[in-house]
Amino acid sequence: QSALTQPRSVSGSPGQSVTISCTGTSSDVGTYNYVSWYQHYPGKAPKIMIYDVSKRPSGVPDRFSGSKSGNTASLTISGLQAEDEADYFCCSYAGRYTVLFGGGTKLTVL
Amino acid sequence: EVQLLESGGGLVQPGGSLRLSCAASGFTFSNYAMSWVRQAPGKGLEWVAGIFDSGANTFYADSVKGRFSISRDNSKNTVYLQMNSLRAEDTAVYYCAKDFVSTVRGKHDYWGQGTLVTVSS
Repeated sequence: QSALTQPRSVSGSPGQSVTISCTGTSSDVGTYNYVSWYQHYPGKAPKIMIYDVSKRPSGVPDRFSGSKSGNTASLTISGLQAEDEADYFCCSYAGRYTVLFGGGTKLTVL
Repeated sequence: EVQLLESGGGLVQPGGSLRLSCAASGFTFSNYAMSWVRQAPGKGLEWVAGIFDSGANTFYADSVKGRFSISRDNSKNTVYLQMNSLRAEDTAVYYCAKDFVSTVRGKHDYWGQGTLVTVSS
């Protein structure tokens, strides 16, 4: 059970787009369409932004979108806003009712 | 309004035990799987354990298998994490999280605020 691989940090200016990658293996991201993304402000409860690779829960702005290609999933945030600055974690079902998270990516809005 | 409230964290010596609780409200608790997820200081999230809606099936990360036990009491809308043989590397904020569905899939639509567990002598 190895963690999914995410870049430690990404940055962008207000109004720009950024993409955060999440690389797993053929045993998790590559096989199952149960990839989710979470926004986490330190000291707060994580918030789900994307589930099932590309679905958005109600209330999440459509600036947030998800996709997957092979063993890599991606979260794209368009029209960056200052309030988007947070940590983002990907998560994948890994079979046999186990779950893997990524190491997290710190998004800085310049 | 869905609420998940963890309790039971604290300071414990290596080799000791602790039981965490997570009280749920605002949804039909017995219809959904629940999980515990932790975050060590300066580290990412790590899924620790999950339990089906009925409580009949439980699953664990390799790092805690044989030491931790997840359970639930659907009459009390509460999920528990019994942690034994604690190690320094178990030091983390522990979150309980609700799944979208009745089985563990890693789709956590609600999370608690977390409870801090510190393992140190």
